[in-house]
Amino acid sequence: DQQVKQNSPSLSVQEGRISILNCDYTNSMFDYFLWYKKYPAEGPTFLISISSIKDKNEDGRFTVFLNKSAKHLSLHIVPSQPGDSAVYFCAASEGKAAGNKLTFGGGTRVLVKP
Amino acid sequence: GAGVSQSPRYKVAKRGQDVALRCDPISGHVSLFWYQQALGQGPEFLTYFQNEAQLDKSGLPSDRFFAERPEGSVSTLKIQRTQQEDSAVYLCASSQGYGYTFGSGTRLTVV
Repeated sequence: DQQVKQNSPSLSVQEGRISILNCDYTNSMFDYFLWYKKYPAEGPTFLISISSIKDKNEDGRFTVFLNKSAKHLSLHIVPSQPGDSAVYFCAASEGKAAGNKLTFGGGTRVLVKP
Repeated sequence: GAGVSQSPRYKVAKRGQDVALRCDPISGHVSLFWYQQALGQGPEFLTYFQNEAQLDKSGLPSDRFFAERPEGSVSTLKIQRTQQEDSAVYLCASSQGYGYTFGSGTRLTVV
């Protein structure tokens, strides 16, 4: 039973355009959501997060949108750059406290073409 | 240290062999997590330590998997009698508060 799903395994976008990554979840107890970026042979690195009390969080070129009623979140990258080519994971947890485990989606591989 | 260090980076084990994977968290980080990432999938939670106490081991897939953190710093994940389905990248993460820092992982291949 996958509680966090990323239905698009891959995405190809032209440099300078917008990348939109989607994530759906089923567990109503999830109230904190994160996006991680992963390069080959490296561990995931934190990108941006959002709490369920918000519907949008922005950090530079990265914006995360949360639609609680639809149990859906998305990550927008504008403008996309070749260095953004990586695998992106959506993750969720019940609460923000230290020690709360993360449930990850399967990832979306993004390729930004120069 | 500056980051989370895991060793070895790569491990090839024959089926039935025991393996031990090491994680050196960021100095002073109280929380330590182990995750398993199978090929083409997202990381899956295995176990969580707060200092030396293992507070959650609900993700360990079988009793062949054992983790310890005896002095509240370095942690070891041990897998006994490895099987092919254990082939995966094993990720360690540490945290001081909220916000994980992941290591680069150990890629285990069971042949």
